[in-house]
Amino acid sequence: SQQGEEDPQALSIQEGENATMNCSYKTSINNLQWYRQNSGRGLVHLILIRSNEREKHSGRLRVTLDTSKKSSSLLITASRAADTASYFCATDQGAQKLVFGQGTRLTINP
Amino acid sequence: SQTIHQWPATLVQPVGSPLSLECTVEGTSNPNLYWYRQAAGRGLQLLFYSVGIGQISSEVPQNLSASRPQDRQFILSSKKLLLSDSGFYLCASQTGGAKNIQYFGAGTRLSVL
Repeated sequence: SQQGEEDPQALSIQEGENATMNCSYKTSINNLQWYRQNSGRGLVHLILIRSNEREKHSGRLRVTLDTSKKSSSLLITASRAADTASYFCATDQGAQKLVFGQGTRLTINP
Repeated sequence: SQTIHQWPATLVQPVGSPLSLECTVEGTSNPNLYWYRQAAGRGLQLLFYSVGIGQISSEVPQNLSASRPQDRQFILSSKKLLLSDSGFYLCASQTGGAKNIQYFGAGTRLSVL
């Protein structure tokens, strides 16, 4: 399968803690993106990291990319109840389309 | 940014009935358009994508078809629904360039009974 794999499949933490999600993929990429999906809704783009970048920040989000290991991680710092959602990585492998992972379901407990 | 309109939000259909889901895009021109299906608690399965009017690429052989009659309109259809067609259907738009970021509609939850 070309799809990426994310782990953990589910993560439950206390509000204020940091949440880390990982994504692995199988082929060379142009960029890797992270999306968020609230229950029963569409996906929303969070952040993009290019293949020649190693780390990127956006607010409370920090993304790393290791192309030698074909893996990425998404760190959400100082989590809030509103961060409860599913998070998906997606790789741009060319060919006009993205390949999405299976997602990590994050629950922030107040 | 782009706005993706999908309707209806929820649909319950009997087995063997036809289907038509419509997606329209505002705020961009000449987008790539995508139909995904998502099973409960799972990732996205790409069904069809289109890089222009009348151009459809099918990713998975199935009971569904897609059409793009206008630049910013993408339609997902079936002549006879199967139970296995149940799921959450998402339309997405992507404008070309160095950043292939996709914008998603709110989705249609289809239950085939």
